Parts: sequence; structure tokens; C-alpha cells
Amino acid sequence: DAGVIQSPRHEVTEMGQEVTLRCKPISGHNSLFWYRQTMMRGLELLIYFNNNVPIDDSGMPEDRFSAKMPNASFSTLKIQPSEPRDSAVYFCASTSRGQETQYFGPGTRLLVL
Amino acid sequence: QKEVEQNSGPLSVPEGAIASLNCTYSDRGSQSFFWYRQYSGKSPELIMSIYSNGDKEDGRFTAQLNKASQYVSLLIRDSQPSDSATYLCAVNDPGTYKYIFGTGTRLKVLA
Repeated sequence: DAGVIQSPRHEVTEMGQEVTLRCKPISGHNSLFWYRQTMMRGLELLIYFNNNVPIDDSGMPEDRFSAKMPNASFSTLKIQPSEPRDSAVYFCASTSRGQETQYFGPGTRLLVL
Repeated sequence: QKEVEQNSGPLSVPEGAIASLNCTYSDRGSQSFFWYRQYSGKSPELIMSIYSNGDKEDGRFTAQLNKASQYVSLLIRDSQPSDSATYLCAVNDPGTYKYIFGTGTRLKVLA
């Protein structure tokens, strides 16, 4: 099993630019989670999907953030426009129906200058 | 506001000692509890899950759950330098698929 795949692994961009982060969950998993991790705030849930449908986006910090899951094997998290305070590690995780264990991808390290 | 509390550490223990990591949670309805290990620059990795009161052992790791006290702990026996990492406690948010994570305890095992 390839595990959760995220791309890019590192992203450096300038303030105001659009950033798109990508995630491929584990095959057969039907729930997908986007998290953000910083030293100050720890691991925060941004949004999660169940069967490709967004269930809870209460953690999305503001309208600059959006997420989509067009099919069971792909999700994107977009930040537009990006700001320096968005600098963090963004993790994607997935789990399957009947399981509770969340499996994390390697993360995308985002730096907004 | 549902919360999961952990001491941020660092917790320093000598090699071979028992490391004890603690976590408290606020929602009495939570039924599932998890310990993740996160090495610096890496993603969280599940090491233990526990659902019933009492102890659950897996190799050198023992998770302990006390729902009445809303307390979950992780014991690491015969600690090794390779156990040096941040340990995240996670608790399910009842009625959802969400976890609530603590901010983690940094463990240092001194050789």
C-alpha cells in the first residue's frame, strides 16, 4: 500500500500568490482530513470529507482557504491569496468506514514570504 | 470548546527508564483514544489506540485509560534514544469522524 500521498512536499511562494496542495488518500478509504500544524497552535483540523462530500469546514481559517474532493482518490486545498501567516505544515489524512485510525501523509511544508 | 491537554515538556528520561506521558480530555462522551508519535520533520504515526478502561499493552508501550477521570496515559518501558519524539494524544469528537489533538509532549531519551 502506497499510503497517503501529498504533493508538493515543499512549497515556497510569495505573499499574494495562489497555492494548491494535493492529496491522494489510501485506496478504499472514504474519509479525508486536511490539517495544519504550527509550533504555536499544534495540529488543527481544517476540513474533512466523507464520501467526497465536505462534512465540517469549521476549521478553515477564512475565505482565502478552499478545499475540494472531486473524486475518491484526489483532494486539493487551495489558498488564495497566500499570506506569511499561512506558513505551516499541511497534512492530509484518511481513514475508512468502520475504522477510526487516521493515516497521515508526509505533509507539505509551506513557506509564504 | 472541546479540549485535549498535554504537558508540552520536554520530558527527559535516561535510557532504559520508563517514560510516562499523560493526557486529559474534556468531553465525557469521547470513546476512542489514540497516541501518535511524531519525529521532527515527519508526519504523525499511530502507535496505540484504546477504547476501554484499563491497560492495553503492545510491546514496550502500554496505554492506560480512565474514563471516570477523563485521563489517558502512555507508558514506554525500557526507553531508547530512538523513542525521542513528540507524542500526540488524540480523542474522538463524539458523533463525528473528527479527532481532537493535544499539542503534544516532547520526549527526550538520554543515552
